[in-house]
Amino acid sequence: EAQVTQNPRYLITVTGKKLTVTCSQNMNHEYMSWYRQDPGLGLRQIYYSMNVEVTDKGDVPEGYKVSRKEKRNFPLILESPSPNQTSLYFCASSLSQGAGEKLFFGSGTQLSVL
Amino acid sequence: AQSVTQLGSHVSVSEGALVLLRCNYSSSVPPYLFWYVQYPNQGLQLLLKYTTGATLVKGINGFEAEFKKSETSFHLTNPSAHMSDAAEYFCAVTGSGGYNKLIFGAGTRLAVHP
Repeated sequence: EAQVTQNPRYLITVTGKKLTVTCSQNMNHEYMSWYRQDPGLGLRQIYYSMNVEVTDKGDVPEGYKVSRKEKRNFPLILESPSPNQTSLYFCASSLSQGAGEKLFFGSGTQLSVL
Repeated sequence: AQSVTQLGSHVSVSEGALVLLRCNYSSSVPPYLFWYVQYPNQGLQLLLKYTTGATLVKGINGFEAEFKKSETSFHLTNPSAHMSDAAEYFCAVTGSGGYNKLIFGAGTRLAVHP
């Protein structure tokens, strides 16, 4: 089944403790992206990747890192989480980077930073 | 820069009634427009999209939307609501730069009551 898989589904952590949210897609998609969803703000892009070893900042990249060493994986790294990073995170992918391509979303990771 | 405004954070309708979810956009270039739906505890799924061509686009589950350039609108309608349509709906527009970055609205939560 074609899908984007995120782990974990729920995560509670404390300020400053490094964490990684994993994202994997099985559709051989070139383009991958991370969004955060906050009430009243919709989804905002954190980082994106157009292909292996090609990543760039989205609209809200502060406090986050990503890497794209393999085509299928695009982990999101929080080196020193802070409470303002408490949010619902989504990984998404599309076949190509072109505008208009359908985005496939993972089921989300609810992160709470205490 | 692109932006999306969704009028009404919550909409409530009776089963069988017309659904109208409003979306207005701002874009300095010809837009690609999308509606995504998020069912409880799930990721977002593409409902429909407009890129070029026919301005009335049909999606899944009886939903459709019409691109009106003069009004900068892309409202979503369904002639007959079902209980299963209860979800959060996001309107989105492609960002500038020509790649698959979506700018999302804040979302509209649709409730359907018997």
